[in-house]
Amino acid sequence: GAGVSQSPSNKVTEKGKDVELRCDPISGHTALYWYRQSLGQGLEFLIYFQGNSAPDKSGLPSDRFSAERTGGSVSTLTIQRTQQEDSAVYLCASSTLGTQFFGPGTRLTVL
Amino acid sequence: QKEVEQDPGPLSVPEGAIVSLNCTYSNSAFQYFMWYRQYSRKGPELLMYTYSSGNKEDGRFTAQVDKSSKYISLFIRDSQPSDSATYLCAMSPPTQYGNKLVFGAGTILRVKS
Repeated sequence: GAGVSQSPSNKVTEKGKDVELRCDPISGHTALYWYRQSLGQGLEFLIYFQGNSAPDKSGLPSDRFSAERTGGSVSTLTIQRTQQEDSAVYLCASSTLGTQFFGPGTRLTVL
Repeated sequence: QKEVEQDPGPLSVPEGAIVSLNCTYSNSAFQYFMWYRQYSRKGPELLMYTYSSGNKEDGRFTAQVDKSSKYISLFIRDSQPSDSATYLCAMSPPTQYGNKLVFGAGTILRVKS
C-alpha cells in the first residue's frame, strides 16, 4: 500500500484533554509535514521534519502543540489541554523530490 | 491580504464543459506550483506539479503558470461528474527547510450530469 496513513480517522475529546495523532508516511520518504485544515482558515502548515529533526516548526500555533518523529518514519502530533479552536482536520504529508502526498487526515472535534 | 487568493466558488458547470480555475499570489519567491483535488472527507490528491512559468498538460488537465502576473490556472477539459470536488492551488518558495506549501482557500467545483 503504500500511501500515507493516519490514525485515528476521527477523534472526539473534551476541552482540556490531551490528544495524540499518528502519521505513517510512505516508506522511504525522508520529509514529513503536518498541516491543519479548518473552516475559514483553509490548509495551514504546522511543522516539517527531515528525518527525525524538525528544522521548521514555525506553523505550530502555541506551545500546547508538539510533534516528534522516530526512526525516520512514524510521526506523532500531540496537542495538550485541547481547546475548542483546535477542532480541525489534521493532515500529514510525506515527500520525495519535492512532491507531497497527503494522508486522509484525522478529524478532531473538541467539545 | 492572504499570500494566495482563490475564489471559493462554488462553480457549477454542465458535464462536458471546459473548467477554468485560478489563483493569484503576492510572494514573488514562489517557484513551485501545484494543484490538488480534494473529495469530501478525504486528503488532498496531487493533480499537477509545475516549476516556474509555462504550461503542463496531463490528459484532460492543463496547468498554466504566469509568474510575471503572479497568476496560475488549471483547465479541465470535457469535465465529468467525477471531477466534482474542491480544487486547491498550492505553492512554495525554494527554502533551506523543505517545501512548506501555502494553499489557496480551495474552489468547490460541481459538474452536473
